[in-house]
Amino acid sequence: DGGITQSPKYLFRKEGQNVTLSCEQNLNHDAMYWYRQDPGQGLRLIYYSQIVNDFQKGDIAEGYSVSREKKESFPLTVTSAQKNPTAFYLCASSIDPGQYNEKLFFGSGTQLSVL
Amino acid sequence: GQNIDQPTEMTATEGAIVQINCTYQTSGFNGLFWYQQHAGEAPTFLSYNVLDGLEEKGRFSSFLSRSKGYSYLLLKELQMKDSASYLCAVRRFGTDKLIFGTGTRLQVFP
Repeated sequence: DGGITQSPKYLFRKEGQNVTLSCEQNLNHDAMYWYRQDPGQGLRLIYYSQIVNDFQKGDIAEGYSVSREKKESFPLTVTSAQKNPTAFYLCASSIDPGQYNEKLFFGSGTQLSVL
Repeated sequence: GQNIDQPTEMTATEGAIVQINCTYQTSGFNGLFWYQQHAGEAPTFLSYNVLDGLEEKGRFSSFLSRSKGYSYLLLKELQMKDSASYLCAVRRFGTDKLIFGTGTRLQVFP
């Protein structure tokens, strides 16, 4: 079955540590996205990529980094510079980001907590 | 800038009808999406509106009025499994990004 796989489901970070969240899709989608979800707030865009080897900052990119070396994979690194990393992180993809009615397909999320 | 408002929480009874409102303020509006998200799970696509009017999909319908910056999601014949958060998201013209509201948490009681 096609879909988006995020791992791990739960992740703990120590102070000063970088952690990487995995996102893999086998939908053959061109575009991939990372969102952060906090209680009482809407999903906020961290980074997005429309094509391999290219990505753009979203609204809250500070303290995060990404790579897009393969079409299927879009890992997110939460660096030690992100001072408030505790949140639910959602990865998403879409077939053709240029289509105005293009819907997002989401992974099941990673809950990151700080020890 | 952009602003999207939804009620934080709603409750309803199994078998009833509920309407979840979403108001938005944005320049260059280019479509509104509704997603359903069960706790701790992935949001899933429900509907898309770009023209004024009502779009019906089984028990779920979505309405849009662009002049009023207003949309609603109508859920009929509520079932317990409809207990979830409902996310309203707006796309601006010329951008691939969606702006999400805070979501409305719906609880359905027997």
